[in-house]
Parts: sequence; C-alpha cells; structure tokens
Amino acid sequence: NAGVTQTPKFQVLKTGQSMTLQCAQDMNHEYMSWYRQDPGMGLRLIHYSVGAGITDQGEVPNGYNVSRSTTEDFPLRLLSAAPSQTSVYFCASSYQGTGPDSPLHFGNGTRLTVT
Amino acid sequence: AQSVTQPDIHITVSEGASLELRCNYSYGATPYLFWYVQSPGQGLQLLLKYFSGDTLVQGIKGFEAEFKRSQSSFNLRKPSVHWSDAAEYFCAVAASGGSYIPTFGRGTSLIVHP
Repeated sequence: NAGVTQTPKFQVLKTGQSMTLQCAQDMNHEYMSWYRQDPGMGLRLIHYSVGAGITDQGEVPNGYNVSRSTTEDFPLRLLSAAPSQTSVYFCASSYQGTGPDSPLHFGNGTRLTVT
Repeated sequence: AQSVTQPDIHITVSEGASLELRCNYSYGATPYLFWYVQSPGQGLQLLLKYFSGDTLVQGIKGFEAEFKRSQSSFNLRKPSVHWSDAAEYFCAVAASGGSYIPTFGRGTSLIVHP
C-alpha cells in the first residue's frame, strides 16, 4: 500500500516557468489537499477537494491551480513560478474530510526552489 | 475561524527527561484536536487526536495529550524522551461542525540531547 505519493521530490524552477506537482493516493480517499510549509509558518492550506470534480480554495490559493478529474489524483499547477513560491509542498488525503475517523495521510513532500 | 498557537519554537530536553509541548487553540465550540509529528525529510504522521469523551488521550510512540477546555489547551506529553523523538511537532484544530479542515500551528522543534 503506497499511501500518498508525491512527485517530484525536488524541483528547481526559474521565475516565470510553469510546472505541475503530482499527488496520487491509492486509499480511495475522497478528501485531498495541498499545503505549503515555510519556516516558522507551519502548514498553510492552498487548495482542497472533497471529491472528484470538486475543488475549493484554502488560505493561500493565489498563484496555484488544481483540478480533480479522478479520485486518485490531485495535481497542483504553478502557472508562472515566483520566488515567493519557494517552499516545501505537501499533499494530504483522508477518507472523509478530517472528521473523527479520518485523520490526514501525508505524502513525503516536494521541495521547490524558484530562482 | 479556528486558530492554533504553539508558543515554543524550539524545545531542548535530555534523553530520558519528561516532555511537554504546549498548544493553545481558539474556537467557539468543542474542537477536534490533533498532534502530528514530522521527522526530517518526511511528511506528517498523526500522533493522537481528541474529539470527545475522556480528556486524556493516548497516542502512538508513548505520547499522550490532555484537553483542558478552561485553558483552551491541548498539551502533548511524554514521560521519558528517546533520541528518536527529535522531530517537528504540530498541533492542529478542526471545527467540530462543518468541513473539518484542520488549521495547523507553526510547529515546535524538539531537540534531544544525549
């Protein structure tokens, strides 16, 4: 059971470039989300999805797009990378939101540097 | 909206000593509370959670936490720390009604001295 898989693990971009961070889970989880982690800031929610075809914005959505065409995949797109998007990105999923029986399962993260 | 404060950025303890990591939350009703641990280069792993009932909850790796409504706190404790406990610890709160999406604290880095 792979859990939550994120690719790539590391990425360096130049300002203005675009890229997609991949996230896949094999647990049939309805809820998926993207966080960014910055020193001293904890984890901040970027976007989330409660099921295929449904996405919504989190705390820091600007500069990021998402889509959810399947239950398994939840890619995060940077259309025009900026140095402020240098961060570690985590994908997380759970069975049904994060209610009593649904803690978040996290991937191992993607470390992104924008120069 | 809910919020979480972890007042300690770093905590240093000696191996074998006891540990308490502080967490204060802000939410109007009884919240859902979590502690997660992040080892270097890894994602977050759930240590324990509180939803209702007994205010002292037991988690994995010998950790426990106590929910104190009067103090809006959910402090994490361990009676004897091991070197492998060195990690980043995050407290999180989620609304008990609605989407349950958690808000994370800024984290506390635990350093363990031999």
